[in-house]
Amino acid sequence: SQKIEQNSEALNIQEGKTATLTCNYTNYSPAYLQWYRQDPGRGPVFLLLIRENEKEKRKERLKVTFDTTLKQSLFHITASQPADSATYLCALGGGADGLTFGKGTHLIIQP
Amino acid sequence: EAGVAQSPRYKIIEKRQSVAFWCNPISGHATLYWYQQILGQGPKLLIQFQNNGVVDDSQLPKDRFSAERLKGVDSTLKIQPAKLEDSAVYLCASSPAGTGFYEQYFGPGTRLTVT
Repeated sequence: SQKIEQNSEALNIQEGKTATLTCNYTNYSPAYLQWYRQDPGRGPVFLLLIRENEKEKRKERLKVTFDTTLKQSLFHITASQPADSATYLCALGGGADGLTFGKGTHLIIQP
Repeated sequence: EAGVAQSPRYKIIEKRQSVAFWCNPISGHATLYWYQQILGQGPKLLIQFQNNGVVDDSQLPKDRFSAERLKGVDSTLKIQPAKLEDSAVYLCASSPAGTGFYEQYFGPGTRLTVT
């Protein structure tokens, strides 16, 4: 069955450093991958989408890579700030399907 | 632009009772999704609508869950009868098209507690 793995433990990063989150998947060939941010008590908010034929995507301080050979995506936040503290969800999809989400990684940026 | 609206925000019921959740997607969005998010987990897709037709309901426990999207706009999700394991946040999301290559816009969710 399809499986998506994200860092299950919280990730603590010092302010100003680059935070790198990992998303690994098995038994799946997604057409695209998305990253969402979720704050406590709120719904997920879309951040970035990367297609299977794209290696890298950037948006302001965010960068996503997608390696379909390794079945892995890396999500980077550069110059991290305490306001970046949240849970980050990796989601895979293909065609007209709904998304399959990972459990998420809780990121804490310490001042 | 108004976001996805959901109500109620919170609901507490006893097991074996019934409950209904309502969702109003972003205007013009053809695709609507219902997800279940258990504490500490990622959202799990329950059902996907394209306009008022069901695209995918393979993970919907049909013996107790039902959903409809009348006129291709608002949607309701019902649980009858509820079980303890149904305690979760129920998220509604919408997207402008059904290809899946668009981001999904999520509502704030309804937190359900079954006692």
